[in-house]
Amino acid sequence: QQQVKQSPQSLIVQKGGISIINCAYENTAFDYFPWYQQFPGKGPALLIAIRPDVSEKKEGRFTISFNKSAKQFSLHIMDSQPGDSATYFCAASRETSGSRLTFGEGTQLTVNP
Amino acid sequence: SQTIHQWPATLVQPVGSPLSLECTVEGTSNPNLYWYRQAAGRGLQLLFYSVGIGQISSEVPQNLSASRPQDRQFILSSKKLLLSDSGFYLCAWSGGGSVREAFFGQGTRLTVV
Repeated sequence: QQQVKQSPQSLIVQKGGISIINCAYENTAFDYFPWYQQFPGKGPALLIAIRPDVSEKKEGRFTISFNKSAKQFSLHIMDSQPGDSATYFCAASRETSGSRLTFGEGTQLTVNP
Repeated sequence: SQTIHQWPATLVQPVGSPLSLECTVEGTSNPNLYWYRQAAGRGLQLLFYSVGIGQISSEVPQNLSASRPQDRQFILSSKKLLLSDSGFYLCAWSGGGSVREAFFGQGTRLTVV
């Protein structure tokens, strides 16, 4: 059972554009939603995270939007740059499981110059 | 600051050979430790997690085992590798309790031939 569904699988954006990646979850017990950025051959790096008591969190060019009623959250990358080209993973965990993360399948983002 | 070390970076092993991957964390005490596996182009699957020395929980049945001989050391092992054990193995740590952020090592690319 895939508890976190991520889309699209791949995304091509022009430099300066907005990249949007979406995730949907099933388990209403999830209460922590991080996004990770992974470059080829490297481990994932924590990018930004949100908890369900807020609807939006912004850090620099990266914004998470969270819709608790729809059980959906998304990552927006403003002013996308070629250096943002990477694979992005959404994830979720619940308090009783600590930091055991359930991951989405990933989105390969390519930002063309 | 905390750092996580994982080695080796790449490994090619014949079918039926043993495996030992090591992960150590510096700069923190009593971390939660995790082993994940990432198949090519896919998300991460949690294999094992540990909340303390000698305490190991397995998420999925498989040909692998894990051990935590010291507070900040986590080892992934196999007695006899299978072709299906090939993949990208990632160690991660978190602070435990209400600290939900998890941080990953750089991974080990295992190819079983």
